[in-house]
Amino acid sequence: AQSVTQPDIHITVSEGASLELRCNYSYGATPYLFWYVQSPGQGLQLLLKYFSGDTLVQGIKGFEAEFKRSQSSFNLRKPSVHWSDAAEYFCATQEYGHKLVFGAGTILRVKS
Amino acid sequence: EAQVTQNPRYLITVTGKKLTVTCSQNMNHEYMSWYRQDPGLGLRQIYYSMNVEVTDKGDVPEGYKVSRKEKRNFPLILESPSPNQTSLYFCASSWTGGAGQPQHFGDGTRLSIL
Repeated sequence: AQSVTQPDIHITVSEGASLELRCNYSYGATPYLFWYVQSPGQGLQLLLKYFSGDTLVQGIKGFEAEFKRSQSSFNLRKPSVHWSDAAEYFCATQEYGHKLVFGAGTILRVKS
Repeated sequence: EAQVTQNPRYLITVTGKKLTVTCSQNMNHEYMSWYRQDPGLGLRQIYYSMNVEVTDKGDVPEGYKVSRKEKRNFPLILESPSPNQTSLYFCASSWTGGAGQPQHFGDGTRLSIL
């Protein structure tokens, strides 16, 4: 079965600093990969998705992610973090057509 | 506005008292799903529905029921809630549930079972 690992439970970065959130997946073929963000008291919002093609994917809010098959990774990046980016971030892969398999999430704190 | 609406947003109740969490979407999506979110575990699928009158178990279905009598609604039923069902619940929908279709999520329902 597919699984997703987010190694960092919490990450703290200073406002204006760059950000990288790690995600590793286990799957034999090229998976469908997603990053979602959950702001406090809100549902999950899709940041970006990867299916095939260009391995660098651009998303909303200035985020991007890079698919690296050799490392089974799909890390999320942002060049300059804003205080409003503080939230919980989930990496997910899609299994058997419909089911999303989520990582445990990474909580991002932004220092001013 | 396209949205998935869950009610209630918050509920505190007691063990054994039946409760229903409603979920409604206005996007004419065929696929709907329920997840629960627990710290350190991410989101896990409880039940899903590929279309009206078609439902199936996800990874953690024990203690839950669902029904899909209309396309837009997919209620989650806890017949006899227990404290281990205290969690944050999300309803989601997508067009057909096909691979690669992003799922749209509601704002969540926080249940506390005492």
